Amino acid sequence: EAGVAQSPRYKIIEKRQSVAFWCNPISGHATLYWYQQILGQGPKLLIQFQNNGVVDDSQLPKDRFSAERLKGVDSTLKIQPAKLEDSAVYLCASSLYRLGGDDEQYFGPGTRLTVT
Amino acid sequence: EDQVTQSPEALRLQEGESSSLNCSYTVSGLRGLFWYRQDPGKGPEFLFTLYSAGEEKEKERLKATLTKKESFLHITAPKPEDSATYLCAVQAGTSGSRLTFGEGTQLTVNP
Repeated sequence: EAGVAQSPRYKIIEKRQSVAFWCNPISGHATLYWYQQILGQGPKLLIQFQNNGVVDDSQLPKDRFSAERLKGVDSTLKIQPAKLEDSAVYLCASSLYRLGGDDEQYFGPGTRLTVT
Repeated sequence: EDQVTQSPEALRLQEGESSSLNCSYTVSGLRGLFWYRQDPGKGPEFLFTLYSAGEEKEKERLKATLTKKESFLHITAPKPEDSATYLCAVQAGTSGSRLTFGEGTQLTVNP
């Protein structure tokens, strides 16, 4: 079974520029998550999609971050404009979402963003 | 607000020297407690889910246990390949599927 795919793996941009990350979840997984992981910290949820609808975006800085999941499969996360504090690893995860059952989230390798 | 605290921040063991990692949590209505392993440059890898106090799960040299306030990850006779950061996360009944992670314990096992 193929895992969660993300691209690019690394990105370096200057502050105030824009950047986009792409994620392809595990086939058949209805739920998709974007997390931000700052160096030395645990991941923090930015946004959760159930199929192509947003379930939780309470921790997404909406003035600069946006995300979409077209057709309930792939997703993109965009930052515009970027700030120095956005330097982090952006992780995409997906889960099967079985109501009342196990709901393990499987993570991709992440995109390491450096803002200079 | 859900909170997860992991200790110690870093742990060095000799190969074969057993030890435990701690995860203390505060959550409104625990749905599940998750353990992940993260290697440098990679995403977290799922290890275990625990749902209720008293539950235990094992995988190779790892054993996870859960009480009403904390979880332990016991590592028995570790090998150098067990070196990684171990992350604990909680899923609360009031916050859907969101995982709230601790900051992790960085484990190094020397040969």
